[in-house]
This record gives sequence, C-alpha cells and structure tokens, in this order.
Amino acid sequence: EVQVVESGGGLVQPGRSLRLSCTASGFRFDAYAMHWVRQVPGKGLEWVSGISWNSGNIGYADSVKGRFTISRDNAKNSLYLQMDSLRPEDTAFYYCGKDGSACSLDSCYSGIEFWGQGNLVTVSS
Amino acid sequence: DIQMTQSPSSLSASVGDRVTITCRASQSIGSYLNWYQQKPGKAPNLLISGPSSLQSGVPSRFSGSGSGTDFTLTISSLQPEDFATYYCQQTYSAPRTFGQGTRVEIK
Repeated sequence: EVQVVESGGGLVQPGRSLRLSCTASGFRFDAYAMHWVRQVPGKGLEWVSGISWNSGNIGYADSVKGRFTISRDNAKNSLYLQMDSLRPEDTAFYYCGKDGSACSLDSCYSGIEFWGQGNLVTVSS
Repeated sequence: DIQMTQSPSSLSASVGDRVTITCRASQSIGSYLNWYQQKPGKAPNLLISGPSSLQSGVPSRFSGSGSGTDFTLTISSLQPEDFATYYCQQTYSAPRTFGQGTRVEIK
C-alpha cells in the first residue's frame, strides 16, 4: 500500500525556521517526482515546490522562492521541505504528494496521485 | 507564471444533473492539465490527468477534455458523493499552478 506521511509541523514564530519531512512507503521512491502543496484552512490549493526523481529538476512557487528549500534522500525514502524566514501567510496545511511518474517538473502528463494527510504549520508570535 | 482560472467558483446542482466546470490557462499548456476532487477535511484526490485520462477507480461519469487554454471537467450524472470542491492544475511548467477551485453544492 502506498503511503506518504508528513511530520515536523507545528507552531513557529515569524522569522524562524521549520523543517517538514515526508516518509514514503509502498512504492519505489527513487522512481517518482515528489511535491509539496499547501492549503490555508478554508482556501484553495497552492503548489509550493516539486523535485524530480533524481533531484536534478527543482521548482518553487514565487511566494516561497528564496526562503524554502526542497530536498530528498532516496536512500531513506524521504522528502523534506526546509522553511526559513517564515511569515504568518505561510500558515497552512502542508501536503506531501507522490507524482504519477518520474517526469521532470515540466511538460508532464501526470499529477499528484497520492497525498499525505496534511501537516499544519502555524506561523504566529 | 501560468494563471489558471476556473468557472464558476461555485454551483448548486441536484443529484442526476449534468455538471460542467471550466478551467482556462493564461497561456497555452497543451494537454498538461489535471483535475482533482477534494472533500472537507480530506486530502485532494486525482481524478483525471493529461487532460482526459481517468485515474484508476474513478467513476466513468467523470470526464475531461480540452487543449491549449480551455479545458472542461464534466460529471454526466451528479451523485451524492460528488459534492466537493474541484481543482484544475497545469503541469506544463513550474510552478505547477492550481485553479482557485469550484465548489459543487447540493441544490
């Protein structure tokens, strides 16, 4: 059974850092691109970042570029999101997602076919 | 960045109705378009990718079409479990932007 489980969320003060982790199981992790998507409670989805299977292609939303860093460790079946200089507007549920293919981030017919349960990050003083 | 605009933002429909949701891209994205369904308190669920390939387990009453800048998601006969919010997402280029969502409510 495919599973992706996020961890590392919580309450953090503005300007501080937080690292989210996503542990995957039930599939060959190093064969798929992975993504982070966030959602402010009651609002829509925002794609935050994605990484190709071999970390060779990485992308970010403009709202987080320069502050967030995505990475993966294929040996540990794990995906990470390092979030620095956090702002109140970063408050959201953060979802880890498995892509349907190994495709790079551009011109892919696949979407996010498996999602984690979501991890709440609250940025507040 | 590519902007994705869905219409309507919300709609009310009855069980058995045919429902159509549209998604427009700010530039041509070929066929690189996905549709997701999200129910309250749950993670999104991929319905259709590329933009007409139904994911395994998704009922055949869901269908997708379009290319270039204009896409549609159609539910041929709305069922009680279909009341949810639907999102389109382009996978033509990063950032992989989502539409703002269309909430389908019970009439």
